[in-house]
Amino acid sequence: KNEVEQSPQNLTAQEGEFITINCSYSVGISALHWLQQHPGGGIVSLFMLSSGKKKHGRLIATINIQEKHSSLHITASHPRDSAVYICAAHMDTDKLIFGTGTRLQVFP
Amino acid sequence: DTEVTQTPKHLVMGMTNKKSLKCEQHMGHRAMYWYKQKAKKPPELMFVYSYEKLSINESVPSRFSPECPNSSLLNLHLHALQPEDSALYLCASSQGGQAYYEQYFGPGTRLTVT
Repeated sequence: KNEVEQSPQNLTAQEGEFITINCSYSVGISALHWLQQHPGGGIVSLFMLSSGKKKHGRLIATINIQEKHSSLHITASHPRDSAVYICAAHMDTDKLIFGTGTRLQVFP
Repeated sequence: DTEVTQTPKHLVMGMTNKKSLKCEQHMGHRAMYWYKQKAKKPPELMFVYSYEKLSINESVPSRFSPECPNSSLLNLHLHALQPEDSALYLCASSQGGQAYYEQYFGPGTRLTVT
């Protein structure tokens, strides 16, 4: 069993819909990242959080340390949000444990 | 400048070739990483350099040889690769040290071994 699990694996949405991607982890962590990867490869770091909630534009990330759970929300989704979203947990200073990713497609 | 650059973007090599991948950052980061990513899978950590010293080697075969000539540069030397080594190779950097920092990723080198 992977230490970091994501759901759903695949997600399709219509433009404008509110989207939630979930991440749960089975061990203690110090911080959690949400990453975005577009077709073609490049990975962009969206958030790093260790408690509470962060917001950037239409993206919101929350984490509940006690429940070992984090969510990424996208409000007013747009076709350009289509990408793979990956959560990754800091288990120690230099190492990330990656979730399996959620492939999101937003249709016009 | 918050960019990590990688060259080349694409590389095709035979199993007897020797080639190198290059990664560069000018953000003053002291930790640099090599990841391997197969299609539709998350990245897998290969190596971490911290303050120009190799700190993590995830049991990577010796046909992959990392090098960190200075704090801005990271190389990955490739020799006698196998077709199953074909993948996207990603470099990343972070501030490093005893805290948790964002990792900044390069665009990757797509490697094909024939």
